[in-house]
Amino acid sequence: EAGVAQSPRYKIIEKRQSVAFWCNPISGHATLYWYQQILGQGPKLLIQFQNNGVVDDSQLPKDRFSAERLKGVDSTLKIQPAKLEDSAVYLCASSQQGGGAEAFFGQGTRLTVV
Amino acid sequence: GENVEQHPSTLSVQEGDSAVIKCTYSDSASNYFPWYKQELGKGPQLIIDIRSNVGEKKDQRIAVTLNKTAKHFSLHITETQPEDSAVYFCAAPYYNQGGKLIFGQGTELSVKP
Repeated sequence: EAGVAQSPRYKIIEKRQSVAFWCNPISGHATLYWYQQILGQGPKLLIQFQNNGVVDDSQLPKDRFSAERLKGVDSTLKIQPAKLEDSAVYLCASSQQGGGAEAFFGQGTRLTVV
Repeated sequence: GENVEQHPSTLSVQEGDSAVIKCTYSDSASNYFPWYKQELGKGPQLIIDIRSNVGEKKDQRIAVTLNKTAKHFSLHITETQPEDSAVYFCAAPYYNQGGKLIFGQGTELSVKP
C-alpha cells in the first residue's frame, strides 16, 4: 500500500513570496490533515478535511494560508505572502475517518523563509 | 481547552534499560491514544495505539497503558536499543472539534550504547 506522498521535500523562499505544497493521501482515506511542525515542537493542526469539506480550520492563519481538497483526494496548502515565522515542516496526514482512526503521515515539506 | 501534556521533554537511557514517557489529556470524550516515533528528516510514524476499552496493550518491546479516570496514558519501551533513539509524540482526539488529533510536545529519547 502506497503511503502519503508530499512534494516538494524542501523549499526556500524569500519573505513575502508565495509557496504551495501538494499532498496525495492514501487511497480511500476520507480524512486529510495539514500540520505545521516548528523545530522542537509537536505538530500543530492547521486544517482537517473530511472528503472535500473542511471539518476544522480554527488554527489556520486565513489572512495568508489557504488550503483546498478538490474532488476529495489530493490537497494543496498555499502561503501568500510568507513570513519568517512560517519556517517549519508542513506535514500531511490521512486516515480512513477522523477522530479515533489511525493517521498516517507523509515525509513533510521543510520550508525555509529567508 | 484542548491540551495534551507530555513529559519528559528529553530522556537519556543506557542501552538495555527501560524508558517511560507520560501524557495527560483534557477531553474526557477522547477514546483513542496513538504514539508516534519521528526520526530526523522524516514524518511521524505510528508505532502503537490504544483505545479506551482496554487498559494496556503490548507489541514486543513496546507497551502502552491507559488510565481513563486520571486522563493519562504512558509509553513503555523495554530493552532499549540505539535505534530506538528518536522523538516520540503522544496524541489524543478532541471530539468537540471534529475529532482533530492534538499532539503532545514530544520527548527526545537518546539510547546510549
